[in-house]
Amino acid sequence: SQQGEEDPQALSIQEGENATMNCSYKTSINNLQWYRQNSGRGLVHLILIRSNEREKHSGRLRVTLDTSKKSSSLLITASRAADTASYFCATDVLYTGANSKLTFGKGITLSVRP
Amino acid sequence: GAGVSQSPSNKVTEKGKDVELRCDPISGHTALYWYRQSLGQGLEFLIYFQGNSAPDKSGLPSDRFSAERTGGSVSTLTIQRTQQEDSAVYLCASSRKLTSASYNEQFFGPGTRLTVL
Repeated sequence: SQQGEEDPQALSIQEGENATMNCSYKTSINNLQWYRQNSGRGLVHLILIRSNEREKHSGRLRVTLDTSKKSSSLLITASRAADTASYFCATDVLYTGANSKLTFGKGITLSVRP
Repeated sequence: GAGVSQSPSNKVTEKGKDVELRCDPISGHTALYWYRQSLGQGLEFLIYFQGNSAPDKSGLPSDRFSAERTGGSVSTLTIQRTQQEDSAVYLCASSRKLTSASYNEQFFGPGTRLTVL
């Protein structure tokens, strides 16, 4: 079963609207990260939120974390056509000794129509 | 400043041949991951190296796949007797410790696109 699962799988919005993407996970985490992938390229890190944080902002990005519900959301405000990409959440989990491991979800495809 | 580099960027091979894919992580990053991504799909975890610990090989799909990391730096992913279903983009990522028990963001290489004919 997937540690991190994004919802929805695909999202299509008009330029200027806000895009909200959700991620749920199953076990306790050290931190949760969101990544973006443009078609055919490597992933780029967007934002990291630690388990003791509830909300974080970076430019037009807002991430929330609810550890009681084991969920996170990524909000992109005032979307632009250039935001069209796949978005992945990833959870950093302690799994052996002092080691942790980052596990990715399957991703959300965001399309922003001009 | 050098990021994560991978070579080759593209590899076309014939079914049954062996291939080697290389990853040069960012200097000082103790963690190194290999992933596979088929067209339009998410990331499939393959193998994870963390410092001097034994690698986590739980994601390797078959015994045709192996990887090593020499001197805690460069890593090579080897696929023996390639099959058509091995065709995908192979991504490498590295990261450094954030705390004693967690990692910071992963930095990804551009990937190697493998095509098995």
